[in-house]
Amino acid sequence: QQQVKQSPQSLIVQKGGISIINCAYENTAFDYFPWYQQFPGKGPALLIAIRPDVSEKKEGRFTISFNKSAKQFSLHIMDSQPGDSATYFCAAPTGANNLFFGTGTRLTVIP
Amino acid sequence: NAGVTQTPKFQVLKTGQSMTLQCAQDMNHNSMYWYRQDPGMGLRLIYYSASEGTTDKGEVPNGYNVSRLNKREFSLRLESAAPSQTSVYFCASSGGAGGFFTEYFGPGTRLTVL
Repeated sequence: QQQVKQSPQSLIVQKGGISIINCAYENTAFDYFPWYQQFPGKGPALLIAIRPDVSEKKEGRFTISFNKSAKQFSLHIMDSQPGDSATYFCAAPTGANNLFFGTGTRLTVIP
Repeated sequence: NAGVTQTPKFQVLKTGQSMTLQCAQDMNHNSMYWYRQDPGMGLRLIYYSASEGTTDKGEVPNGYNVSRLNKREFSLRLESAAPSQTSVYFCASSGGAGGFFTEYFGPGTRLTVL
């Protein structure tokens, strides 16, 4: 059974600061680790994903860092903006070919 | 291209009532999923369908049934609703150019069971 532990549960960051969310997984059948972003009243949407033939992937202000030996991956949001305020979920594939999601991190960026 | 659509958006039931949540996708995806989202619990998989004609239990299937009506539609049924099923329900689909593990979510159904 896949387990994904996500922290912190909530995060408050000043505008322009760096937001960091961490996830740890137990097992994975496939090397693919996505992050989803969810705004209030909406469904989650894929933000960025990494296939760990690389240890880091960057898209604009969003970066995934991956540590395979530690079974950990993290999301970094540089120059955080109020529009980034949302709930973020990490996920990892299960052996049953679906995703197991973390419990989510509610990010609030203060102007 | 509407993506994943869900109906209804909101529903209030009394304990013991039944209802069906509808989901449809127009992306020609093979796989479809039902999740529930509760505060502090994240997204928990109820049932999924890897392809038309197949369904499998997820993490929290008790009290629910599903039907993969065709490739586009995947419904979730509560036969006898309980207050513990008060939640926000999301349907998702995956496959196609986004890859097997890229899941596209609908807008959700907010269900309250009194």
